[in-house]
Amino acid sequence: QVLLVESGGGVVQPGRSLRLSCAASGFTLSKYGLHWVRQAPGKVLEWVAAISGDGSEEYYADSVKGRFTISRDNAKNTLSLQMSSLTTADTAVYYCARDPGAGLAGNVDSWGQGALVTVSS
Amino acid sequence: SYVLTQPPSVSVVPGKTARITCGANNIVSKSVHWYQQKPGQAPVLVMYYNSDRPSGIPERFSGSNSGNTATLTVSRVEVGDEADYYCQVWDSTTDHMVFGGGTKLTVL
Repeated sequence: QVLLVESGGGVVQPGRSLRLSCAASGFTLSKYGLHWVRQAPGKVLEWVAAISGDGSEEYYADSVKGRFTISRDNAKNTLSLQMSSLTTADTAVYYCARDPGAGLAGNVDSWGQGALVTVSS
Repeated sequence: SYVLTQPPSVSVVPGKTARITCGANNIVSKSVHWYQQKPGQAPVLVMYYNSDRPSGIPERFSGSNSGNTATLTVSRVEVGDEADYYCQVWDSTTDHMVFGGGTKLTVL
């Protein structure tokens, strides 16, 4: 059974940093790409970042490029998202999501339950 | 950037057919994927590569892609199908994942 569990969400002040983690189980992590997708309260889904199965390829949405860093540790079955220079526009539920292709097929076949990040003073 | 356009809402009575569209320039050249999201829950993949159905998704769900419009069709709609539906593509020009604006399916 594929399981993705996010952690690290919470309330953070504007301009500060926060790190999200995603623990994966039930499958061999290195065989799959991974994404972070976020959803602001009452809003639509927004793709944030993606990383290939071996970690050699990283892609970012324009809205977070230069501020967010996606990374993975296949040995520890974890995905991370380091977020810096946070603004109120980054307030959202952040979903960890599995891509069915190691080289990034470009879609998601499994989702975590999400972690809420609230940026507020 | 590549933009996917969905109608904000679609309404249907139980037992009838709902069609949710996703429009974009020459979308037929891309693989379109569809997700269902119920309130307070994570999205669920209901259609991938235009017309492939994941295991566990009822046969009532089908998909197509032609010209400038991709369509998710839900036949014999049930009350439990009420949800937000999002189309999605991978834009290989920018290496970005793109989501449509979502369509709220209301079962009257």
